[in-house]
Formats: sequence, C-alpha cells, structure tokens
Amino acid sequence: ILNVEQSPQSLHVQEGDSTNFTCSFPSSNFYALHWYRWETAKSPEALFVMTLNGDEKKKGRISATLNTKEGYSYLYIKGSQPEDSATYLCALEGSARQLTFGSGTQLTVLP
Amino acid sequence: GAVVSQHPSWVICKSGTSVKIECRSLDFQATTMFWYRQFPKQSLMLMATSNEGSKATYEQGVEKDKFLINHASLTLSTLTVTSAHPEDSSFYICSARDSSNQPQHFGDGTRLSIL
Repeated sequence: ILNVEQSPQSLHVQEGDSTNFTCSFPSSNFYALHWYRWETAKSPEALFVMTLNGDEKKKGRISATLNTKEGYSYLYIKGSQPEDSATYLCALEGSARQLTFGSGTQLTVLP
Repeated sequence: GAVVSQHPSWVICKSGTSVKIECRSLDFQATTMFWYRQFPKQSLMLMATSNEGSKATYEQGVEKDKFLINHASLTLSTLTVTSAHPEDSSFYICSARDSSNQPQHFGDGTRLSIL
C-alpha cells in the first residue's frame, strides 16, 4: 500500500499572504505526481501533472515543484485570495497507472 | 475543459435497496474510468478501474459482487451498489481519463446514505 502524506492537514491564512504545503510519497515505482484543487460542492479540478525530477509548473499564482529522489512535492500559492479556499489534494500515480491520494490540505483564506 | 457528469448527487434509501450511480464523460472519450470512495476525514480510496468493453479491476478488499461496474461505452460507466447496507453509506466519486499522461477528470460525486 502506497502512503501519500500531506501536511499540514489544514491552515488559515490572511488574504494577500503567500503559503505552501507539502506532499510526500514513496519514491519507488514513481510515474507521476498530480495536484488537484477541490472546492466544496464541486468536483476536484486538476492543477498539475508532474513527471520529471526537478519539474516546476505554474498556473497563475499557483506553482508546484517536484523532487522524485527524496519523494516530495511542494505547492505554493502567492498572494492568497478568498477564492483560493479549497482542499488541495496530491496523488501519486505509480507504475500501475492508478492514483493514490493523500488526505488533502484544507486551505481557508480569510478576507 | 473535459467534463464528467455524475448522478445522482444524493441518494437516501432503505437497507437492502440496490443503487445505481452513473458517470458520463460529456466531451471526450474515456478509455478508462475510475471509481473512488471516501469515508469522513479519510482520503479518496480507489475501488476499481474500468476499461471500456472489459471487466473492471477491483482493488483489494472491494467485493466485486457487491459493487457492480459496467463500462459499456467510451462515455458511460455505472456503479451499482447491490443490497446496500448502512455500512455502505459513503461518498462515491468517479473519474475518467482519455489517454495516458493526462489528469483524471472527476464527477461531482454521489453521497449515499443507507437507512
């Protein structure tokens, strides 16, 4: 059983603050690392799919990095806005091509 | 973007009832669809993977006779919870992928409550 861990479990930040959270995963059998944003009452929205060690991807104010050798990925949000409030999920895609999800980081951005 | 429609959103029914959940890819052909279950305060757990026209592959501990999956076309997969009991109450969500190296696109999920 693959163990994908996310930290922190939840956090509150003030509007305008930058923040980041972590996804750690076993580095063996790595194929890809996925990040999703899941807003309440909506479906999870794909943010990034990263495959190469050292990958950095950016989408607006959100960016992510990947270290496959040590088994972690960081998600960064610059200048957080209330609409960024959501649960951010990471998922490891292994050699079997299935996703193993972490429990998510629940972000609340206070106006 | 790719859209996946899942319904119903909510189901409340009596113990012993069978419940069917549909998952449709609206604007792409889904060669593979996935079914997940999430219990409170836990992560999404993969139940099964289905490929169009073939039998679903179930994860360890998931009863295939309890959770019937049909993926009859490239745009539709169904999950039937047979003779549901209160312990089957959970949040069920599907996803679909059109090809490798692409993210999975999720439906909105179905909250199932068995009385």
